[in-house]
Amino acid sequence: DIQMTQSPSSLSASVGDRVTITCRASQSISTFLNWYQQKPGKAPKLLISVTSSLQSGVPSRFSGSGSGTDFTLTISSLQPEDFATYYCQQTYSFPRTFGQGTRLE
Amino acid sequence: QVQLQESGPGLVKPSETLSLTCTVSGDSISSYYWSWIRQSPGKELEWIGYIYYSGSTNYNPSLKSRVTISVDTSKNQFSLKVSSVTAADTAVYYCARGAHQLDYWGQGTLVTVSS
Repeated sequence: DIQMTQSPSSLSASVGDRVTITCRASQSISTFLNWYQQKPGKAPKLLISVTSSLQSGVPSRFSGSGSGTDFTLTISSLQPEDFATYYCQQTYSFPRTFGQGTRLE
Repeated sequence: QVQLQESGPGLVKPSETLSLTCTVSGDSISSYYWSWIRQSPGKELEWIGYIYYSGSTNYNPSLKSRVTISVDTSKNQFSLKVSSVTAADTAVYYCARGAHQLDYWGQGTLVTVSS
């Protein structure tokens, strides 16, 4: 299985901050990497697919980049509604695997 | 608007079979792949598997021997069965649309394995 490792596991930030979350794959996954946002008691929400494709309705302050084994999710100016847990997911191979999550607080 | 809703028992006894159904509205189930994912309390997300409307499936090898995903196109539903459950199967179970990008999710349902 491909292991997905996110860093940091938790991050303290303030409204207006630029935030970067990193996801590293245990082997190359090309650009087959998605990002999800999860708020307490809710289902995950797809933010970005295939490394950098922003889903419809997702604010442009979210962006993704990377390829191979190293990926980043960037929030350019943190808003109050962005405080949540973020997960990366690889879809390069089976089984699909997720990172352990980064809690933004 | 596509909506998914999980349903099924919230409590299952050890060694029994967990059964959940996901009802899809706002879209035909005969158009996409449909997935199950679970999240143990305080833990990360675990992909269980997916099914295509034709019935073809793909399962997580860690669960493959105990998992069955099926589809009922007449009811616009797909289902999950996990046999021989233990406490380790206690989790919130989500259904979702897609096999690559999971773009619509159900709200999730907590299943507790306990006697």
